[in-house]
Amino acid sequence: EAGVAQSPRYKIIEKRQSVAFWCNPISGHATLYWYQQILGQGPKLLIQFQNNGVVDDSQLPKDRFSAERLKGVDSTLKIQPAKLEDSAVYLCASSPPGGSGNTIYFGEGSWLTVV
Amino acid sequence: AQSVTQLGSHVSVSEGALVLLRCNYSSSVPPYLFWYVQYPNQGLQLLLKYTTGATLVKGINGFEAEFKKSETSFHLTKPSAHMSDAAEYFCAVNPRGNAGNMLTFGGGTRLMVKP
Repeated sequence: EAGVAQSPRYKIIEKRQSVAFWCNPISGHATLYWYQQILGQGPKLLIQFQNNGVVDDSQLPKDRFSAERLKGVDSTLKIQPAKLEDSAVYLCASSPPGGSGNTIYFGEGSWLTVV
Repeated sequence: AQSVTQLGSHVSVSEGALVLLRCNYSSSVPPYLFWYVQYPNQGLQLLLKYTTGATLVKGINGFEAEFKKSETSFHLTKPSAHMSDAAEYFCAVNPRGNAGNMLTFGGGTRLMVKP
């Protein structure tokens, strides 16, 4: 079974530029997550989708970050304009239908460096 | 809100020695508990999880963890460390009854294995 796919794996941009990350979850997984992992820290949830609806985006900096999940499958996370503190790994994850306790499966991450 | 504390951001052991990584949660109701491992330049991989039943949980690669309600702990152990165990380990919690199925991560513990 294919895992969570993410692209690009690595991206270097200048501050104030924009960037977009793409994620394809595991087939059949209704829930999709974007996490931000700053070097030396644990992942922090940015946004959670259930199918194509947003469940939680309370920690998403909405002035510069946006995310969408069209048709309830693939998702895109965009940052515009980027700041130096946005340098991090952006992890996409997905989980099967059901409540809490289900395993959440992670992709390999998209590494962003803002210079 | 749930919180997770991992004592020791860095742990160093000799090859063949016992591995003990500590995790404590703060919640009046025990949450679902997870341990994930992250190898360099990779995403997070589930090691094991506790949802219900037996409090000693066995995972992959010889790791196990014991849920102790009285101590609000879920420490990760492995009897004999191998060089390939060198990685970052994250403890995470998910509140019971949370329809959103969201993980909150600890800060991580980097395990170093000396030959």
